[in-house]
Amino acid sequence: GQQLNQSPQSMFIQEGEDVSMNCTSSSIFNTWLWYKQDPGEGPVLLIALYKAGELTSNGRLTAQFGITRKDSFLNISASIPSDVGIYFCAGFLYGGSQGNLIFGKGTKLSVKP
Amino acid sequence: DAGVTQSPTHLIKTRGQHVTLRCSPISGHKSVSWYQQVLGQGPQFIFQYYEKEERGRGNFPDRFSARQFPNYSSELNVNALLLGDSALYLCASSLRGAEGYTFGSGTRLTVV
Repeated sequence: GQQLNQSPQSMFIQEGEDVSMNCTSSSIFNTWLWYKQDPGEGPVLLIALYKAGELTSNGRLTAQFGITRKDSFLNISASIPSDVGIYFCAGFLYGGSQGNLIFGKGTKLSVKP
Repeated sequence: DAGVTQSPTHLIKTRGQHVTLRCSPISGHKSVSWYQQVLGQGPQFIFQYYEKEERGRGNFPDRFSARQFPNYSSELNVNALLLGDSALYLCASSLRGAEGYTFGSGTRLTVV
């Protein structure tokens, strides 16, 4: 099935570091969403973006909806241990197959040993 | 208020068997969608139901079917199970659209 290109696949963080990840698509979307998934749980919505160029923050998280509508990025500032988990981007297109969120493969955040 | 609840949480089935997974949406939510998440991948869209009607179907074989009941709960059925059907099956509900989805914790299906 179709999946968005999400990078990096994995990264190690040290407490206090800033983290960046991004997502690209060959298709345009009306909405970009960022989710976090902890082990044994379903994805939890972090940020929703509805307009090209939009920059939205949620606490230490900041996300942007790319101007071309084909990409988005997520930044986490001053990371803390509970930021560990898998982050997914997802795109949604109005008028497409209803209910069809297209997800990236995820970015796994782990703590530096 | 209860979130999206899915049952069972874990399930082991044999190839060729049939399975039924259940989902209760958040109270007041009329849209339910199902996603399959294979280990190491993002969720893949299977079905969406709104007001008991199918509103979307992903690229899955006819062995997969679903329905939504008058109380907006939903079932996902998979026939003739294959090893490749082993995955986490996620249910999500919203008032209407995908951007408002709340996901359940999923059912972990293992086919042996």
